[in-house]
Amino acid sequence: EVQLVESGGGLVQPGGSLRLSCSASGFTFSSYAIHWVRQAPGKGLEYVSVISSNGVLTYYTDSVRGRFTISRDNSKSTLFLQMTSLRADDTAVYYCVAYSSGWRYWGQGTLVTVSS
Amino acid sequence: QSVLTQPPSVSAAPGQKVTISCSGSSSNIGNNHVSWYQQFPGTAPKLLIYENNKRPSGIPDRFSGSKSGTSATLGITGLQTGDEADYYCGMWDSSLSVGVFGGGTKLTVL
Repeated sequence: EVQLVESGGGLVQPGGSLRLSCSASGFTFSSYAIHWVRQAPGKGLEYVSVISSNGVLTYYTDSVRGRFTISRDNSKSTLFLQMTSLRADDTAVYYCVAYSSGWRYWGQGTLVTVSS
Repeated sequence: QSVLTQPPSVSAAPGQKVTISCSGSSSNIGNNHVSWYQQFPGTAPKLLIYENNKRPSGIPDRFSGSKSGTSATLGITGLQTGDEADYYCGMWDSSLSVGVFGGGTKLTVL
């Protein structure tokens, strides 16, 4: 069974940092590009970032570029998102998603709340 | 403001058919495959349609997708109350190397 399990979310003050993790199992993690997609409370889906299967290529949406860093450890089937300079509008559920002709396998999400 | 435009809501009676549109431009939908996602409250989205009109294993054939020019459409036939959910279109824009989603459509089965 394919599983993606996010962790690391929580309450952080504006300007703070947080590191999200996503542990994968049940599929060949190293063969998939993995994405982060977020959803603010009561809002729609928003694309955040992607990392290629070998970790060489990374892309970010404009609103997080320079503040967020995506990385992966294929030996541990784990994805990371280092978030810095957090703002109130970064408050959302963050999903890690494995991509194969579409965002195919989703984690359950982890909630990040940026508030003082 | 989403790059892809969906109606905020649609509704239909049980057993009927409904379509949800996703409108873009020649630079996004016109040049890339569209996928569709179903999301129930409090849960993660689920892939319904990929590459415009293909269904992943386990998705019933009541769900269908199509694309024409700069628009895509999700169709659901034989509506059931259990289909009430939010539906999103999305695509990987290969020229911009970024993913984009529509704003989502809330389906109500009356």
